[in-house]
Amino acid sequence: DIVLTQSPATLSLSSGERATLSCRASQSIGTSLAWYQQKPGQAPRLLIFDASHRATAIPARFSGSGSGADFTLTISNLGPEDFAVYYCQHRNNWPLTFGGGTRVEIK
Amino acid sequence: QVQLVQSGAEVKKPGASVKVSCQVSGYSLIELSIHWVRQAPGKGLEWMGGFDPEDGESISSQKFQGRLTVTVDTSSDTTYMELTSLTSDDTAVYYCATHYCSGDRCFANYFDPWGQGTLVTVSS
Repeated sequence: DIVLTQSPATLSLSSGERATLSCRASQSIGTSLAWYQQKPGQAPRLLIFDASHRATAIPARFSGSGSGADFTLTISNLGPEDFAVYYCQHRNNWPLTFGGGTRVEIK
Repeated sequence: QVQLVQSGAEVKKPGASVKVSCQVSGYSLIELSIHWVRQAPGKGLEWMGGFDPEDGESISSQKFQGRLTVTVDTSSDTTYMELTSLTSDDTAVYYCATHYCSGDRCFANYFDPWGQGTLVTVSS
């Protein structure tokens, strides 16, 4: 199974700052990676697919990059609504797996 | 626009089974691939399995093989996830989700939208 390791576990930032989240795969997965945002009590929401493509209606302050085994989600100019938990997920092969998540909290 | 609506919370005893439903609206279930993802309290997301209408086959994580059954009722556009031999470790919110589509393109195994989630509590 492909293991996705997210870092850091928690990111403490202020509104207006930039958040940089990392996701490392245990083997190369090309660009078969998605990022999701989850707020308390809500289902996850797809932000980025194929490593760098924003999903419908996702603001441009969210960007994804990377290929192979190292991926980054960047949130520029954090807004109050961006404080949440973020997960990466691969679709390279079965089984699909998720990373352990990064919590972006208000500093 | 596809919407997924799940059945309500369940409380089960250890050893029992649970069956959670996920009804599709805004699209025909025949054309969708529905997957199931769970989340234990305070924990991360875990993919369980799904059904691919293109080949009529179910695929599941080895962790759940033998315990997980995903079925489809196209007459009611409803899919069901049944998990047997429950233990306290199965206490979680269970989500159904379908493949993300943008315009006329769909991207298999990236998920959006999701259902609202169903809390399954296993307790004696």
